[in-house]
Amino acid sequence: DIVMTQSPDSLAVSLGERATINCKSSQSLLDSSDNKNYLAWYQQKPGQPPNLLIYWASTRESGVPDRFTGSGSGTHFTLTISSLQAEDVAVYYCHQYYSTPPAFGGGTKVEIK
Amino acid sequence: QVQLVESGGGVVQPGRSLRLSCAASGFIFNNYGMNWVRQAPGKGLEWVAVISHEGSNKYYGDSVKGRFTISRDNSKKTLYLEMNSLRAEDTAVYYCAKVLSKWEPHYFDYWGQGTLVTVSS
Repeated sequence: DIVMTQSPDSLAVSLGERATINCKSSQSLLDSSDNKNYLAWYQQKPGQPPNLLIYWASTRESGVPDRFTGSGSGTHFTLTISSLQAEDVAVYYCHQYYSTPPAFGGGTKVEIK
Repeated sequence: QVQLVESGGGVVQPGRSLRLSCAASGFIFNNYGMNWVRQAPGKGLEWVAVISHEGSNKYYGDSVKGRFTISRDNSKKTLYLEMNSLRAEDTAVYYCAKVLSKWEPHYFDYWGQGTLVTVSS
């Protein structure tokens, strides 16, 4: 089974500043047959279900602000919020869908400094 | 628009059973695989089970294998999770989540609001 490890567990960023979240997988998520990384990112606000932000490691879901950017390949991935807004306070999860069972990272809590 | 509405949660004693339902609308239900994902209070997300679009293929997480059964009724556009031999560690919000594939692993494009299951004596 693939294990997903996120870092940091939490981070506090000033409004307008950059937030960076890392995600590492125990096996490569890059499928050579289609050259796609099977990695998604979700945002979860308190009392709400997770919401899809990014899939294929870097494709933004429709309606997601362009301050959210996914990058990386293979086993190392990053979610960057370029200019943190108050509404971005949430827990962020990475998710591998390269193989069954799917797996989530432990989550990163983003707060305002 | 896509809607997933879970129901059936509640308080149950250890060792007892409970059945969750997820009513789907706004998409062609029998075209897509469906999953259950749970989240213990204050904890992260844990994948529970997946079922293929027509119901013939199923896969379970190790923590629930042999105790939980996923099923679906495509005529009713409803997903189910039968939970037996419940334990305190099964206490969580249970979400149903849709994928864009018929069976293969895929990202979860829609989630329900969740239903809380509390296992306690």
